[in-house]
Amino acid sequence: ETGVTQTPRHLVMGMTNKKSLKCEQHLGHNAMYWYKQSAKKPLELMFVYSLEERVENNSVPSRFSPECPNSSHLFLHLHTLQPEDSALYLCASSLKTGSLRPEAFFGQGTRLTVV
Amino acid sequence: DQQVKQNSPSLSVQEGRISILNCDYTNSMFDYFLWYKKYPAEGPTFLISISSIKDKNEDGRFTVFLNKSAKHLSLHIVPSQPGDSAVYFCAATIGGSQGNLIFGKGTKLSVKP
Repeated sequence: ETGVTQTPRHLVMGMTNKKSLKCEQHLGHNAMYWYKQSAKKPLELMFVYSLEERVENNSVPSRFSPECPNSSHLFLHLHTLQPEDSALYLCASSLKTGSLRPEAFFGQGTRLTVV
Repeated sequence: DQQVKQNSPSLSVQEGRISILNCDYTNSMFDYFLWYKKYPAEGPTFLISISSIKDKNEDGRFTVFLNKSAKHLSLHIVPSQPGDSAVYFCAATIGGSQGNLIFGKGTKLSVKP
C-alpha cells in the first residue's frame, strides 16, 4: 500500500464509450501524474499536475482528458479510444516543490482494454 | 530516442548470489536517479535513489552505484532472495525536486531458490 489509490483496477470499454479513471492520494503531495505503460515500452509520462495546475502534457491525444479538482484527486477522462490505447495506466504523486526527494509514489494502476 | 536505457530485458540469479542490474542514460542534465521495483498487477514501488553528487548509496541489501563519466548506474542486490523477483525500473530526473521521472523499459529479475 503506497497511499495512492486507483479505481477501477480493470476496465474494458468499447471505442464509443466514455469512462473515467480515478486516482486519490492523502500523502500531502502537491503533484500528481498520469503514466501509461504499454507492453515492452518504458513508462510514458502523460500529464503532470502541480498544485492543481496542469504543467505538462506530453503530446497526448485529446481523447485523453485529465482533471485535477484538488491536490488529492486526479481523473483521466476517456472517450472514443482506440484499441492501441489498451495499456496499464498508472497514477503517481510526489512532492514537486521544496523537496530534495522527488520520489513518486504509484498507485496499483488501471488495466484498460479497448475493444 | 530513449534517454534511459536498460539493455537487459531479463536476468536470472541463484538465491544468495549477487544481482546486478544495469542502466545507461544519455542526458547529462539528469541529476537524480531512482530504482523502482514492480510486481505483476501492482504499481512500481520506490526502492533506492542516488543524487549525482554521490557515486554510491546503500540501503540494506541494495546498493546503487553511479558513474557519471560513463553515464551508467547499477543496482546491486546481495544476497538475492526469491522475493526480489520482479521487474526493476531505472528512472532519472532533472532538477532534483522536479519529479518528472524518465523511465527505462525495465529488467525482469528472477531469483531461483
